[in-house]
Amino acid sequence: AQTVTQSQPEMSVQEAETVTLSCTYDTSESDYYLFWYKQPPSRQMILVIRQEAYKQQNATENRFSVNFQKAAKSFSLKISDSQLGDAAMYFCAYRSELSSSNYQLIWGAGTKLIIKP
Amino acid sequence: DAGITQSPRHKVTETGTPVTLRCHQTENHRYMYWYRQDPGHGLRLIHYSYGVKDTDKGEVSDGYSVSRSKTEDFLLTLESATSSQTSVYFCAISGGRTDTQYFGPGTRLTVL
Repeated sequence: AQTVTQSQPEMSVQEAETVTLSCTYDTSESDYYLFWYKQPPSRQMILVIRQEAYKQQNATENRFSVNFQKAAKSFSLKISDSQLGDAAMYFCAYRSELSSSNYQLIWGAGTKLIIKP
Repeated sequence: DAGITQSPRHKVTETGTPVTLRCHQTENHRYMYWYRQDPGHGLRLIHYSYGVKDTDKGEVSDGYSVSRSKTEDFLLTLESATSSQTSVYFCAISGGRTDTQYFGPGTRLTVL
């Protein structure tokens, strides 16, 4: 069974600085998807970025980028130029197949990101 | 934002009472999911649906049932609520080209 581990329960960063959140996973599959979701205090779960394992290029979305190391099964999220609005819980998730064309997400326990003004 | 609503948003109930949570989507997506979120855990899958009247169990399905009579609605029922079911419940949908899951706003359920 696939597992996802986020080893940092909490991280803090100064506004405008860069921070990296760690995620490791375990799987025997060769083709899969990984995601980072953000959950602000509003509780809404918001997709930040996704990575397809067969793509060697790391995904980027504006100030958010990932460092995907397939052999090491590592999927870290880098947030550049941190802003106060980035303060939230961040969850790493692995897409696991339930049946043909149907998937569930396996989640890490989350990392709380604090932005210091 | 994906058109997903959940009702109610908050509910307090007593042990032993039945509870139904509703998820409604306007995206016409095929797949719908119910997850629960507890402190120290990410989300865990309760049940999912792959079409009207087609549902199956997830990782933590004990004590829960679901129904989907229309594409847009997915109901989660706690037949007899217990304190261990106090949690935040999220509905998600997926479909279309990317198969990415999009989430509703969540329902906070407290069972006293």
